[in-house]
Amino acid sequence: AQTVTQSQPEMSVQEAETVTLSCTYDTSESDYYLFWYKQPPSRQMILVIRQEAYKQQNATENRFSVNFQKAAKSFSLKISDSQLGDAAMYFCAYRGTGTASKLTFGTGTRLQVTL
Amino acid sequence: GAVVSQHPSWVICKSGTSVKIECRSLDFQATTMFWYRQFPKQSLMLMATSNEGSKATYEQGVEKDKFLINHASLTLSTLTVTSAHPEDSSFYICSASLGTGQGGNYGYTFGSGTRLTVV
Repeated sequence: AQTVTQSQPEMSVQEAETVTLSCTYDTSESDYYLFWYKQPPSRQMILVIRQEAYKQQNATENRFSVNFQKAAKSFSLKISDSQLGDAAMYFCAYRGTGTASKLTFGTGTRLQVTL
Repeated sequence: GAVVSQHPSWVICKSGTSVKIECRSLDFQATTMFWYRQFPKQSLMLMATSNEGSKATYEQGVEKDKFLINHASLTLSTLTVTSAHPEDSSFYICSASLGTGQGGNYGYTFGSGTRLTVV
């Protein structure tokens, strides 16, 4: 079974600074998808970024980028120029390639953004 | 974009009663829906996977007789918490798999969640 581990329960970053959230996963599959989701106080799950395992290039979405290390099974999220609105719970998630595959979530990292 | 509408957003019910939570896909057909439960400050725990027209697949430890899931159409999935008790109080979230048919590239879309309080 696949597992996703987020070893940082809480992180803090100053506004305009950069922060990296860690995620590791375990799988025996060679092809899969990885995601970072943000859950603000409203509790609506928001997709931040996704990565296909077959792509070597790291995904980037504006201020958000990932460092995908397939051999190490590591998938960290870097948030640049942090903003107050980035404060939220961040969940790393894994899914296989089946069309109805379920998402496996990590335990989450609570990000605080300070002035 | 693909949107899932979840209702109600919050509900308070008396112990022993049943509560139904609905998730509707508004602009796409959701062949597969996932139901999650989330306790405060914790991650999402998958309860069950529902496929249109067939019985739901429940995760280990989830009582299928307590959490009834119906996915009778491609746009509606429901979760009924039967004979609710205070320990069932939680945040419930549905999610639809976008597969590839909707151009979703294996993505997901989530409902806004339902906060259930059983008193």
